[in-house]
Amino acid sequence: SAVISQKPSRDICQRGTSLTIQCQVDSQVTMMFWYRQQPGQSLTLIATANQGSEATYESGFVIDKFPISRPNLTFSTLTVSNMSPEDSSIYLCSVVYRTEAFFGQGTRLTVV
Amino acid sequence: GENVEQHPSTLSVQEGDSAVIKCTYSDSASNYFPWYKQELGKGPQLIIDIRSNVGEKKDQRIAVTLNKTAKHFSLHITETQPEDSAVYFCAASLEGTASKLTFGTGTRLQVTL
Repeated sequence: SAVISQKPSRDICQRGTSLTIQCQVDSQVTMMFWYRQQPGQSLTLIATANQGSEATYESGFVIDKFPISRPNLTFSTLTVSNMSPEDSSIYLCSVVYRTEAFFGQGTRLTVV
Repeated sequence: GENVEQHPSTLSVQEGDSAVIKCTYSDSASNYFPWYKQELGKGPQLIIDIRSNVGEKKDQRIAVTLNKTAKHFSLHITETQPEDSAVYFCAASLEGTASKLTFGTGTRLQVTL
């Protein structure tokens, strides 16, 4: 299995500021994914973080709002920029390791 | 893009009874269908998955069935236990693996004593 460590686990941020979420995995993986889970709702894919190339964003998500870094095969960051209360969600990192998806415990973000 | 619907949104069963959760998907090209269990404060964890070339898969008390013609798949949990209480998500992927998953809306299962 793959073990994912995500930091921070939660944060309360002022509107207009930015927060960077870190995702560290204990194995080298080709693709890492970032999902958003709004309170009590399902998971929505934000983007695929590719090592050595730009992230690929899903419809409704843009790089200026959610810049992603992927400096190596075990680490990625997601930044939530210029935050508004609508960005309050749980953000989850995921990797596919030997065909199975593993998820971090999530970052619970509250924007006030 | 793919759309996955999931029913019911909440399900309460007595310990020992069976629980069934159903999902439908829209894109006939989807070929990988995992089910996840999410406990409070944790990320989703895979409990079982099925690929489009298989109609049914079983792992102890958990089984998944897939009907490609009708584009729906179901999770069956038998002999439910209180520790089965959680939120369950179905998902679908066009990639043949757990990449780029489209999730259902979730089912909150409560197993009562």
